[in-house]
Amino acid sequence: SQQGEEDPQALSIQEGENATMNCSYKTSINNLQWYRQNSGRGLVHLILIRSNEREKHSGRLRVTLDTSKKSSSLLITASRAADTASYFCATDALGSARQLTFGSGTQLTVLP
Amino acid sequence: KAGVTQTPRYLIKTRGQQVTLSCSPISGHRSVSWYQQTPGQGLQFLFEYFSETQRNKGNFPGRFSGRQFSNSRSEMNVSTLELGDSALYLCASRSGGGGKSTHYNEQFFGPGTRLTVL
Repeated sequence: SQQGEEDPQALSIQEGENATMNCSYKTSINNLQWYRQNSGRGLVHLILIRSNEREKHSGRLRVTLDTSKKSSSLLITASRAADTASYFCATDALGSARQLTFGSGTQLTVLP
Repeated sequence: KAGVTQTPRYLIKTRGQQVTLSCSPISGHRSVSWYQQTPGQGLQFLFEYFSETQRNKGNFPGRFSGRQFSNSRSEMNVSTLELGDSALYLCASRSGGGGKSTHYNEQFFGPGTRLTVL
């Protein structure tokens, strides 16, 4: 079963705007990772944030983690049409560090 | 460095048949995990192998099995295929430690095998 939910399920924005996606999870975790998937293809790793970190940046990506609320957000700044994809958060729970549990995903569409 | 490769990319089978999917991890990676992705259930963990040993298994029936070879390449097998087994099967590799206390590091995914069961 999935660890949690992502919000929104679908997001449509104009090129140049920022996109924010949220992820909630249920159990205590070691790490949280964000992945991108283009149209039924493989997953591309975007960023990993450890449970003792609160914020992390990578290029146009900014990830926050609030372990007290069991939630994370992914912000993509200055979005581009090429950012159109599904975005998933994935957690590895304490005691189950060898498997990832994925959220339901957010389908992001960036309109040119 | 070459990425994770999976073969075949597409497969069509009929109910009752069996299928074997193959995954070659990134050179030097010793851990291989398998995931199933369907529109209804999303991404679900199947199992993980490290040094030819299955270390963790998801909640799937015994029809789903796997193995890992000494060169870290892995195969998964699904026997007695059902319509509901139609899915994208993803393989992921990581350099991975062997201890239980090792925090998870990045997993690198292959392009997947699209299995259609008719």
